[in-house]
Amino acid sequence: GESVGLHLPTLSVQEGDNSIINCAYSNSASDYFIWYKQESGKGPQFIIDIRSNMDKRQGQRVTVLLNKTVKHLSLQIAATQPGDSAVYFCAGTFSNDYKLSFGAGTTVTVRA
Amino acid sequence: DVKVTQSSRYLVKRTGEKVFLECVQDMDHENMFWYRQDPGLGLRLIYFSYDVKMKEKGDIPEGYSVSREKKERFSLILESASTNQTSMYLCASSTRTSGIGEQFFGPGTRLTVL
Repeated sequence: GESVGLHLPTLSVQEGDNSIINCAYSNSASDYFIWYKQESGKGPQFIIDIRSNMDKRQGQRVTVLLNKTVKHLSLQIAATQPGDSAVYFCAGTFSNDYKLSFGAGTTVTVRA
Repeated sequence: DVKVTQSSRYLVKRTGEKVFLECVQDMDHENMFWYRQDPGLGLRLIYFSYDVKMKEKGDIPEGYSVSREKKERFSLILESASTNQTSMYLCASSTRTSGIGEQFFGPGTRLTVL
C-alpha cells in the first residue's frame, strides 16, 4: 500500500543554521503533500503544502521541494530559531484515496 | 482563529469501560477527523466525517465508533476499552474546499487504559 516515511527520527540544528527535513513516499500516483509542525503539548499545525505539478514552493522561512523522480520531498527551514523546535510530519494523499497518510515524524531540536 | 477543542487533555479508564471522546470546532467546517498518534507510527486515521450524520472508516476503525449529530461536534467512542487503545487521540477539522488538506487540530486527549 501507499506509505509516507521520514528518513531520520531526530535532527539537531544550531540556531541560525538552515534545517533540512527529508521524507520519502512509495506511490508515484501521489498528488498532494503537506508538512505539519507539532509543538510539545499541542496538536499538529499546517506549515505548507505542495501539489505534484510543482517542484518547489516557498513560504515564510520555509521551502518545500518535491522530486517526483525519486519520490522524495524535503522541508527546508531557513535561519532556524528556538521556536522551530518541534516534531515535523510529512503527509501525502494518493490518487483515488480520500485521506492523508502521515510519516512517523522528525523531532527537530535547536541548539543555542 | 479556528479553534478545535477536545473534552479532556488526560483520561484514565479501565479495561472494558465505554469511553467517549468529544471534539468541537467553531469554524463551521464540514469535515472532521479522528486520529490516534503513537510513537514511531505518526498519525493514523480512525474515522472521518464529511457531513452531519455521515461517517467513513479510516485505516484503523476496529474497536471504535463515531457519532456526528451536529456539524460542530464529532465524538469518538470506544465501546469496550482495551489496553492497546492507550494512545494520544487527535481531532481535526477542515473545510469542504480544502478537503483533507489543511486540517486544524485540537490539542489531543492522552488516554490511558488500565
